[in-house]
Amino acid sequence: GEDVEQSLFLSVREGDSSVINCTYTDSSSTYLYWYKQEPGAGLQLLTYIFSNMDMKQDQRLTVLLNKKDKHLSLRIADTQTGDSAIYFCAEKTNDYKLSFGAGTTVTVRA
Amino acid sequence: NAGVTQTPKFQVLKTGQSMTLQCAQDMNHEYMSWYRQDPGMGLRLIHYSVGAGITDQGEVPNGYNVSRSTTEDFPLRLLSAAPSQTSVYFCASRDSTGRAGYTFGSGTRLTVV
Repeated sequence: GEDVEQSLFLSVREGDSSVINCTYTDSSSTYLYWYKQEPGAGLQLLTYIFSNMDMKQDQRLTVLLNKKDKHLSLRIADTQTGDSAIYFCAEKTNDYKLSFGAGTTVTVRA
Repeated sequence: NAGVTQTPKFQVLKTGQSMTLQCAQDMNHEYMSWYRQDPGMGLRLIHYSVGAGITDQGEVPNGYNVSRSTTEDFPLRLLSAAPSQTSVYFCASRDSTGRAGYTFGSGTRLTVV
């Protein structure tokens, strides 16, 4: 199966950490991605993790992968107003296709 | 700037009209794809191409055609527009490794009335 599921909304206070969760079903996925979409714009690749890794850190972003539970999370430290956007989890299920979740809308409040 | 360029950014069509959404990339990427984005549904794959002259169907291909005569260009044709095709369309490309994921264009917002 190729279902990717995410919660739809997250509200976070400026300066706090945000955690966006994602579950996927295809255990053969090789890469998992997080994309960010700002209003009226395309998707911007934030980070990715290879399936043989458990964690990847890139500045304020930390990706955790639990292969046993098929669970992926994205933590944004010190969340800023510019982090308000829709975040998509995606898995590379084969050579040509990414399967996307429905997206999590993150709202950062002052 | 290198990347994926989509035109037009906005388009309104009447039911039954046809049109072509343009997509071009200058990164010499082999793989190109078209997705549509609908609220609450994420992105769904319409058609894809693994190289010039090679195309195939994705999840939701009905009502759309594609061709890939060059590495750079991957146009999407709507044959007879229907209101159900009102959506935001994204073109994306990636290199052969796939490690860095897909690079997306800025999208075409299509409304069919």
